[in-house]
Amino acid sequence: AQSVAQPEDQVNVAEGNPLTVKCTYSVSGNPYLFWYVQYPNRGLQFLLKYITGDNLVKGSYGFEAEFNKSQTSFHLKKPSALVSDSALYFCAVRDGNSGYALNFGKGTSLLVTP
Amino acid sequence: NAGVMQNPRHLVRRRGQEARLRCSPMKGHSHVYWYRQLPEEGLKFMVYLQKENIIDESGMPKERFSAEFPKEGPSILRIQQVVRGDSAAYFCASSPPGLAHNEQFFGPGTRLTVL
Repeated sequence: AQSVAQPEDQVNVAEGNPLTVKCTYSVSGNPYLFWYVQYPNRGLQFLLKYITGDNLVKGSYGFEAEFNKSQTSFHLKKPSALVSDSALYFCAVRDGNSGYALNFGKGTSLLVTP
Repeated sequence: NAGVMQNPRHLVRRRGQEARLRCSPMKGHSHVYWYRQLPEEGLKFMVYLQKENIIDESGMPKERFSAEFPKEGPSILRIQQVVRGDSAAYFCASSPPGLAHNEQFFGPGTRLTVL
C-alpha cells in the first residue's frame, strides 16, 4: 500500500521569506515523488519530480524539493516566497514497482502575505 | 501544443440523471487517468486507460461508473443515476507512452453538481 501525508493544512509565509511545505510518504517499492500546484478553479500544474539520483530536485518557478530516504520525506521549498505563490500544493507518490496511479496527499494551502 | 482538454467545465445534473465527462489528452499521449476531488480533499485515483483498454480501474466505484477511451475520440467518464455524493471535481490527466515515471498532465477539471 502507498500513502502520502501532508501534515499542515495551511502554511503562512511573508513575502521574501523562505517557505517549506512538508510531505512524507509510504510505499513498498521504489518511490516516484511529485509536487503539483493548484490555483483556484484550475487543474493541477506539475512542479517537479524525484525518480532517482540527486536528492535535491529543482523544478518550476524557483521551487525545489529534497528527497530524504531515511525520513521518507519530500519537502517542497523555495528560498524567497512571492505573493503569487499562494495556492494549494499537493504531494503525490507512485510506487515504482507497481501501478501507474498517483496517490495524492490532502493538500497544503500556502498563503504568502505582502 | 494544447494541453489536456476537458468538457464541460461545469455540469449540473438532477438525481437519477446521467453525467458524461469528456477528456482529450495532450497530443502524442496515449495514457489517460481519471481522478476525483471531493471538497477539502486531495485527488483520488479512479481509472487508468490506454487506447481501447482499461488498465487499472481499482479506484472506480463498482456500480454506476464506467470509463472508456476509444480508438478515435476523447475518453469518456460516465456516471449513471447520479446521486448527491457524486458532486465533485473530476480531473483527467494524460501522459506519453513509455516510462512509468512520466509526470501526468492535468486538465482543468469538470465540476459536477448534483441537485
